[in-house]
Amino acid sequence: AQTVTQSQPEMSVQEAETVTLSCTYDTSESDYYLFWYKQPPSRQMILVIRQEAYKQQNATENRFSVNFQKAAKSFSLKISDSQLGDAAMYFCAYRSAFMNTGFQKLVFGTGTRLLVSP
Amino acid sequence: DTAVSQTPKYLVTQMGNDKSIKCEQNLGHDTMYWYKQDSKKFLKIMFSYNNKELIINETVPNRFSPKSPDKAHLNLHINSLELGDSAVYFCASSQDSAYNEQFFGPGTRLTVL
Repeated sequence: AQTVTQSQPEMSVQEAETVTLSCTYDTSESDYYLFWYKQPPSRQMILVIRQEAYKQQNATENRFSVNFQKAAKSFSLKISDSQLGDAAMYFCAYRSAFMNTGFQKLVFGTGTRLLVSP
Repeated sequence: DTAVSQTPKYLVTQMGNDKSIKCEQNLGHDTMYWYKQDSKKFLKIMFSYNNKELIINETVPNRFSPKSPDKAHLNLHINSLELGDSAVYFCASSQDSAYNEQFFGPGTRLTVL
C-alpha cells in the first residue's frame, strides 16, 4: 500500500518570502500522480498543483512550484512571494495510475499548517 | 454555480441515531467519492463509486452505507452513530482517470454527542 508522509506539522513564513513544504511517499509503482491540495479555514479542498510521475519536468503554477525527485520519492512544494491568503493546511496526495491498484482514490499525507505573518 | 454540493454542512446528533448526508455534482463526472477527515485533519478515502457501482470500500464499518441513485448523486447513510464518527465528511467527484482532478464539496461537519 502507498503511504504519504509530511514531516512538518507546521511552518511559518513572512509575507513576500519563500517557503518549502516537504512530502515523501512510498510506492512500488512506476506510474502515478502527485498532488498538493490547500485547505483554508473555510474547509474547502482546493487543488494547488499536480505532477505526473513520468514527467521529469517540475510542475509550476504561478507562485507555486514543485521539486519532484522520483528516485528519492520526494515531492516538495515551494511557495514564492507568500501572501496572507496562502495561510492554510496543505496536503500532499498520491494517486495510482493503475486501475487494479485503486487509481480512483487519493492517499493523503497528514498535512502541514502554513502560517503567514505580515 | 456550485460544482459539488453537500447537505447539510453541519449535523449535530445523539449517539445511536441514524443520519444521512447528501452529495450532488453538476460536473457530469462519472466517479464520486466519500472521504473522512478526523479531528487531527487526516483525510482518508471511505468509498468510491463509478457509474453508480461501488469500486472502493476501505474497511469502513457496515454502519456506513453509501447509495448512488444516479451518476450525479452519492449519499452516505450512517446507522447507530458513535462518538468516533464525529468528523468532517467530504464528497468529491472526478472524471474516471488518474490524471483528472478530484473536485471536493464543502464538507459536512458531523458531531455526535
